[in-house]
Amino acid sequence: EIVMTQSPATLSVSPGERATLSCRASQSVSSNLGWYQQKPGQAPRLLIYGASIRATGIPARFSGSGSGTEFTLTISILQSEDFALYYCQQYNNWPLVTFGGGTKVEIK
Amino acid sequence: QVQLVQSGAEVKKPGSSVKVSCKVSGGTFSNYAISWVRQAPGQGLEWMGGIIPIFGTTNYAQKFQGRVTITADESTSTAYMELSSLRSEDTAVYYCARPQRITIFLDAFDIWGRGTMVTVSS
Repeated sequence: EIVMTQSPATLSVSPGERATLSCRASQSVSSNLGWYQQKPGQAPRLLIYGASIRATGIPARFSGSGSGTEFTLTISILQSEDFALYYCQQYNNWPLVTFGGGTKVEIK
Repeated sequence: QVQLVQSGAEVKKPGSSVKVSCKVSGGTFSNYAISWVRQAPGQGLEWMGGIIPIFGTTNYAQKFQGRVTITADESTSTAYMELSSLRSEDTAVYYCARPQRITIFLDAFDIWGRGTMVTVSS
């Protein structure tokens, strides 16, 4: 099973600043990597798939990069609605889909 | 607009079973896999397994093999997840989710249900 490790666990950022979240896979997942945002009491929302492709309706301030085992989600200018939990997910390794443990982006 | 509509919250006794439904409305049912993902209170996301209705093919995470059964009824566009031998650690929100591409399990999930809370307590 591929283990996805996210860092940091918590990221304290001021509104208007940049946030950089990391996700590492225990073995290569190529570009089969997604990023999700989750707010309290809500289902996850897909932000990025294919490691760098924004999902429909996702603002341009969200960007993804990386391939293989190292991935990054960048939120260029944090808005108040961006404070949430973020998960990465690999979908390369049959028969399993696995998620990272999450990064909480909180207001500094 | 495709929506996944899940059944309501459940409270179950340890050792019993629960069956959660997920109805697809506003779009094609049979060609897309439906996966089930759970989230224990304050914890992360855990994929349990899925089904591709048009083929009847299922795929389960090894952790849940033998305890979870995922089925689909094409006549009602509804997928089901049944979890047996419930224990307190199964207390969680259970989500159904649909991938972006047809007829594959392994993909990003762009459509999610709102979740079903299952509480296991004596």
